[in-house]
This record gives sequence, structure tokens and C-alpha cells, in this order.
Amino acid sequence: QAVLTQPPSVSGTPGQRVTLSCTGGSSNIGTHYDVHWYQQVPGTAPKLLIYGSTNRPSGVPDRFSGSKSGSSASLVITGLQPEDEADYFCQSYDSRLSGYVFGPGTKVTVL
Amino acid sequence: VQLVQSGAEVKKSGASLKVSCQTSGYTFSGYYIHWVRQAPGQGLEWLGYINCNAGDAKYAQNFQDRVTMTRDKAISTAYMELSRLSSDDTAVYYCARTQYWNGYGNWFDPWGQGTQVTVSS
Repeated sequence: QAVLTQPPSVSGTPGQRVTLSCTGGSSNIGTHYDVHWYQQVPGTAPKLLIYGSTNRPSGVPDRFSGSKSGSSASLVITGLQPEDEADYFCQSYDSRLSGYVFGPGTKVTVL
Repeated sequence: VQLVQSGAEVKKSGASLKVSCQTSGYTFSGYYIHWVRQAPGQGLEWLGYINCNAGDAKYAQNFQDRVTMTRDKAISTAYMELSRLSSDDTAVYYCARTQYWNGYGNWFDPWGQGTQVTVSS
């Protein structure tokens, strides 16, 4: 069973607001470890989207935002665009495993 | 900042693999290089990292007995070697950079372009 869980898929129409969730536990997100988010277009390398749970790197559109509460984190896309169709992975550190862990990913489809 | 990986590999079961990650645009010894793999249609799996200054490495529990990470500071390049390959090791292997441990869990940025590794029997 994956240490971090994500819904397999989410879909929305252009302009819609969509929320992606990432749920962990007491040895990762539920403690002081940050959550980071990556966008991966099929056939390309993952790209950092959100770091430190809430921060956007320069160049990432402000329609992407992140939050963390308890053992869960969320990535919100406000105003979904066709180019946002991709896989989204959350990532954190796990103290029990003494290593980095990823969620299984959520595929975002723009209808 | 760029991470450029070596080309695709085809290996036989039982063989070993060595992938390189050539870096540029930043001070190589000031960061860690991590290795992450992605099996076909699957998610991301962390293999471990190397401290590019000191040269010490830390490996994921699942790979501790099969993986070795090294670096060559003179040419700003990191390497990942995986032994005793099986078909389960067929995946795209990525290198990615992090800062030194910040106490809260680092993020990976940027990533290399990926190296496709195919293991056949």
C-alpha cells in the first residue's frame, strides 16, 4: 500500500476549479515534513509545481496553489486550462522509511 | 541549471547498469543528486541520493543491496549503478537535484530528461 495516497483521476472543464488531494500519515505529512507537487506531461520529466506545501517556483502560473492540513495536502487549480492536462504527483519525506516518498499520481483530464 | 543524462540502455537479466547525470549551471558540490525511477504506466519511486561534496550516499531500503551512487566533482557528474537487474527494473530513470537537508524534506528541482532502461531475459 502506498505511503501517500492520491485519487487516480480528476476531470473538469476549462475555467473550472479542481482540487487534488494527497493523504499521508504520522510519519510524513502529519508531522513537520513539507509536501511538494510535480506536474508530468506524458513522455517528459516531472516539473516542480509547488514546494514547501504552499510556494510556487517562478514561472508557475498563479492558478496553481497548495495547502497542507494535518496529514493531508491539496493542490488547487483555479481556472483549469487545456494545457493543465497531465499527471500530478505529491511528494514528502517519511521518517519511518528514512526516505522520500511519492503519491501514485492523479491524472487531470480537461473535458 | 541543467541535468543531462546518458542515453537509453538495453540490458539482460542479471547484468548491471550505470547511468550518468552531467550537471551544469550551478556549483555541483553545493547540492545533492537524487535518483528516481518510473516503471511503465506507474508512479515515481525514490532510489536514493549522493552528497556531491562529501561523496556519501543514502539509499532507499528497497535498493540498499543493489544500488551504488557516485560522483566525479572534476566533471560535475553523478552516477547511479544498479546490479542484478530483472525485468522489474525496466523503467525510466531520472536524476534530480535538491539542496542540502533542510529539516522539512527537500524538493526535487530540476530533473534530468530521463534514461529509458529496458531489461530483457
